[in-house]
Amino acid sequence: GNSVTQMEGPVTLSEEAFLTINCTYTATGYPSLFWYVQYPGEGLQLLLKATKADDKGSNKGFEATYRKETTSFHLEKGSVQVSDSAVYFCALNPNDYKLSFGAGTTVTVRA
Amino acid sequence: EAEVAQSPRYKITEKSQAVAFWCDPISGHATLYWYRQILGQGPELLVQFQDESVVDDSQLPKDRFSAERLKGVDSTLKIQPAELGDSAMYLCASSLGIGQGGGSETQYFGPGTRLLVL
Repeated sequence: GNSVTQMEGPVTLSEEAFLTINCTYTATGYPSLFWYVQYPGEGLQLLLKATKADDKGSNKGFEATYRKETTSFHLEKGSVQVSDSAVYFCALNPNDYKLSFGAGTTVTVRA
Repeated sequence: EAEVAQSPRYKITEKSQAVAFWCDPISGHATLYWYRQILGQGPELLVQFQDESVVDDSQLPKDRFSAERLKGVDSTLKIQPAELGDSAMYLCASSLGIGQGGGSETQYFGPGTRLLVL
């Protein structure tokens, strides 16, 4: 079946530090891959997505590259801010409209 | 910017009572989803509508949960009777619709309804 495995949290960083959240997936075919972010008390917001191998999604300084050979979609940001504190979810859609989410990674950025 | 609306934001109920959640998707979005998010986990799909028709309700506990989208716009998710294990965040999402982008289509989420069953 389809599944997503995310790096376990929580992750605590200082401001301006480099952030990486690992995400690997299992799926048949060529799924689309997503990163969603959930700020405290809010719903999920799309952060970025990639729809085919070697695509790079980017938004708000975050980047992730669709690596089919390693079935990965790791999220990176070069310099985090306190406002990046949130829960980050990796997700896949194997082209049947059903999103499968990872368990989420809680990130806390200290000033 | 258009948003998915949900109400109530918080609901406390006693077990065996009935609860209902409401969702109003982004205007023009044909597909509507209800997810359940247990604390510390990712959302899991309960039911998916295309217009007023159910596309997938394979994960919906049909003995106690029901969902409807009568006019293909807003939707209601009901639990009767509620059980302690139903305590979770219930998220509604919408997207343009099947055929509009396939698996790459973005789903837009509402703020959720946090349910606590005592």
